[in-house]
Amino acid sequence: KAGVTQTPRYLIKTRGQQVTLSCSPISGHRSVSWYQQTPGQGLQFLFEYFSETQRNKGNFPGRFSGRQFSNSRSEMNVSTLELGDSALYLCASSYGTGTNEQYFGPGTRLTVT
Amino acid sequence: AQSVAQPEDQVNVAEGNPLTVKCTYSVSGNPYLFWYVQYPNRGLQFLLKYITGDNLVKGSYGFEAEFNKSQTSFHLKKPSALVSDSALYFCAVRDNTNAGKSTFGDGTTLTVKP
Repeated sequence: KAGVTQTPRYLIKTRGQQVTLSCSPISGHRSVSWYQQTPGQGLQFLFEYFSETQRNKGNFPGRFSGRQFSNSRSEMNVSTLELGDSALYLCASSYGTGTNEQYFGPGTRLTVT
Repeated sequence: AQSVAQPEDQVNVAEGNPLTVKCTYSVSGNPYLFWYVQYPNRGLQFLLKYITGDNLVKGSYGFEAEFNKSQTSFHLKKPSALVSDSALYFCAVRDNTNAGKSTFGDGTTLTVKP
């Protein structure tokens, strides 16, 4: 099976702009989670989608949003970018939740200038 | 609220020696515990998990972890470290009452020296 793919791999944006990141999960996986990874804050949970429904959300401002499509592909959007949004954004998919392990994509490296 | 603590930012061991990477957790319900590894310039990879049953779980690359309910710990171990084990290790927890949310520790950098 193909792994989790994320596009684009690298992005450079300017403060105030918005960005959309894409994630394609492993075939058959219905749960997609998003994380922000930074050197200072580690891995921070953004949100989790299962069968097109957002079931969990982390402590991030409303500028961060996402959605999941019927084919389980997911997008994450960040509006009004701030310098502090510079990070590696990781997508992870799993067959279900709870007891199932997650499989991570390579991430999208976002740099905000 | 659920939380994970990895008390050591860095663990250094000599090749061939046993290694331990520590993890403690806090959850409301029954814990589901996971270890992941991140090699340089590579994505996070699943190593092993504890869901229920035997407190000693075995995973990939010769790693194992011991679940201790009374100490709320889930330490990662390997009897004989390899230089290639050098990486960033993350412990993660899920709560069976909030199964979709994973909380990760801050990570422990393991360095194995020849």
